[in-house]
Amino acid sequence: EVQLIESGGGLVQPGGSLRLSCAASGFTFSTYTMNWVRQAPGKGLEWLSYITSTSNTIYYADSVKGRFTISRDNAKNSLYLQMNSLRAEDTAIYYCARSLPHFDYWGQGTLVTVSS
Amino acid sequence: DIVMTQSPDSLAVSLGERATINCKSSQSVFYITNNKNSLAWYQQKPGQPPKLLIYWASTRESGVPDRFSGSGSGTDFTLTISSLQAEDVAVYYCQQYYSIPRTFGQGTKVEIK
Repeated sequence: EVQLIESGGGLVQPGGSLRLSCAASGFTFSTYTMNWVRQAPGKGLEWLSYITSTSNTIYYADSVKGRFTISRDNAKNSLYLQMNSLRAEDTAIYYCARSLPHFDYWGQGTLVTVSS
Repeated sequence: DIVMTQSPDSLAVSLGERATINCKSSQSVFYITNNKNSLAWYQQKPGQPPKLLIYWASTRESGVPDRFSGSGSGTDFTLTISSLQAEDVAVYYCQQYYSIPRTFGQGTKVEIK
């Protein structure tokens, strides 16, 4: 069974940093492109970032470019999102999702709250 | 960026009746390489992550009931629920995966009338 489990969310002050993780199981993680998507409270879905299986191609949404960094460790079956210079508008549930390129599996999400 | 616009924002349909959601992209998402439209539909119920329903505009994901169908090409797409069930109450999103950034429609909330 494919599973994606996010962790690392929490309350952080504006300007602070957090590192999210997504633990993958039930499939050959090292062969899939992965994504991060977020959803602000009561709002729609916003794609954030994309990383290919070997990490040779990475893309970001303009809203997070220069502040967020996606990475992966195929040996650990894990995807990461390093978030720096956090703002109130980054408050959201953060999901990892597998690409086929459509997003066929999603994690349950981890909540990030940016507030003083 | 490709802008995805859904209509309506919400709709209320009686149980057993048809629900139709439209999605329009600001440019074509037809992928010449494989002759397919790079368009997916997702269902999101409260407190849950999105669930893939339809991909390549009209291919139903495994396990998705056949009352869900997708159609359209180029820039205009439709998700149809042929006979609405109580468990279909959710927000539905279209998404293009033709280009970066991947973009979603704003969502359509489906309720029971």
